[in-house]
Amino acid sequence: KAGVTQTPRYLIKTRGQQVTLSCSPISGHRSVSWYQQTPGQGLQFLFEYFSETQRNKGNFPGRFSGRQFSNSRSEMNVSTLELGDSALYLCASSPVGGPSPLHFGNGTRLTVT
Amino acid sequence: AQRVTQPEKLLSVFKGAPVELKCNYSYSGSPELFWYVQYSRQRLQLLLRHISRESIKGFTADLNKGETSFHLKKPFAQEEDSAMYYCALYRSGAGSYQLTFGKGTKLSVIP
Repeated sequence: KAGVTQTPRYLIKTRGQQVTLSCSPISGHRSVSWYQQTPGQGLQFLFEYFSETQRNKGNFPGRFSGRQFSNSRSEMNVSTLELGDSALYLCASSPVGGPSPLHFGNGTRLTVT
Repeated sequence: AQRVTQPEKLLSVFKGAPVELKCNYSYSGSPELFWYVQYSRQRLQLLLRHISRESIKGFTADLNKGETSFHLKKPFAQEEDSAMYYCALYRSGAGSYQLTFGKGTKLSVIP
């Protein structure tokens, strides 16, 4: 089976712009979750989607949003980018979510200038 | 709120020496705990989970509810164990699911 695929791998954006990141989960996995990884804060939970519904959301501002499509692919959007949004964004999938092990993608490295 | 603490940012040990990566958690419910590992230039992956009570690559971890700890141990370190290790706590309740990660410990095994 192909692993979790995230595109693009790298992005450079300017403050105030918006960005969309994409994640294709492992085939058959219905849960997709997103994490922000920074050197200072480590891995922080953004949100989780299951069957096109956001099931849980972390403590991030409303500028961070996401969605999931019927084929379980997910997108994450960040609007009005700030310098502090520079991070590695990781997507992870699992068959049903909950406490089942997560399968991570390689991440999208976002740099905001 | 739940919290996961990994007190050591960096741990260096010699090859063949025992390894213990510390993880402490705070959570009022019944915890489900995991160790994830990231080797150089690879993606983050599950190492083990406490309910499985397995030994993976020689690593074991025991949940100690009294000390609220889930330390990762290996009796004899190998060079290939050098990696970043993350402890994670799963919380569920009222339809809400969240995995909280510690900030990680970088293990360096010296040949």
